[in-house]
Amino acid sequence: GDSVTQTEGQVALSEEDFLTIHCNYSASGYPALFWYVQYPGEGPQFLFRASRDKEKGSSRGFEATYDKGTTSFHLRKASVQESDSAVYYCALGETNAYKVIFGKGTHLHVLP
Amino acid sequence: GGIITQTPKFLIGQEGQKLTLKCQQNFNHDTMYWYRQDSGKGLRLIYYSITENDLQKGDLSEGYDASREKKSSFSLTVTSAQKNEMAVFLCASSIEGTSAETLYFGSGTRLTVL
Repeated sequence: GDSVTQTEGQVALSEEDFLTIHCNYSASGYPALFWYVQYPGEGPQFLFRASRDKEKGSSRGFEATYDKGTTSFHLRKASVQESDSAVYYCALGETNAYKVIFGKGTHLHVLP
Repeated sequence: GGIITQTPKFLIGQEGQKLTLKCQQNFNHDTMYWYRQDSGKGLRLIYYSITENDLQKGDLSEGYDASREKKSSFSLTVTSAQKNEMAVFLCASSIEGTSAETLYFGSGTRLTVL
């Protein structure tokens, strides 16, 4: 079945560091790929999505490029801020299904 | 814009107790979801509903019931709470309901079972 793998459970960075959170997926066809962000005490909120090969999604300085060849959708940000500290979820969805598949999440800690 | 309201925000129950969590949305979305969030395990789907009075089981439906009597509301019942259970239950909705659509989440109900 479909799956999403986030290899990092926790990432600790200093302000202005470069961020990469890895996301790999397994699915048939062309799923839509998402990043969601969850701040403490809140529900996950949509960050951005991409739905075809080589499409780049971006929001708030974060970006990821859909890569069907490597089945990846890695999240990157050039310069993180303390306010970016949150849990980030990669997710996959398909137009012929109702269930969104989430990765296990990556907890980002940004130190001032 | 719309909002998803989950009540209560915190729920403390006793082992064996039946507990009900409520969710209301004013997006006028067709599809609603209940997810369970455990530390280190991501989000797991319990139930979803594609329209009023429809119910579909997710991967984690055992031990839960759900109800969708109105388009705007979706409730989840823990049929027999398990001791030492701690989790956050998240309600979500989407416009049409295919998983290629964006999900909108409430802020969650945090369950503790004593």
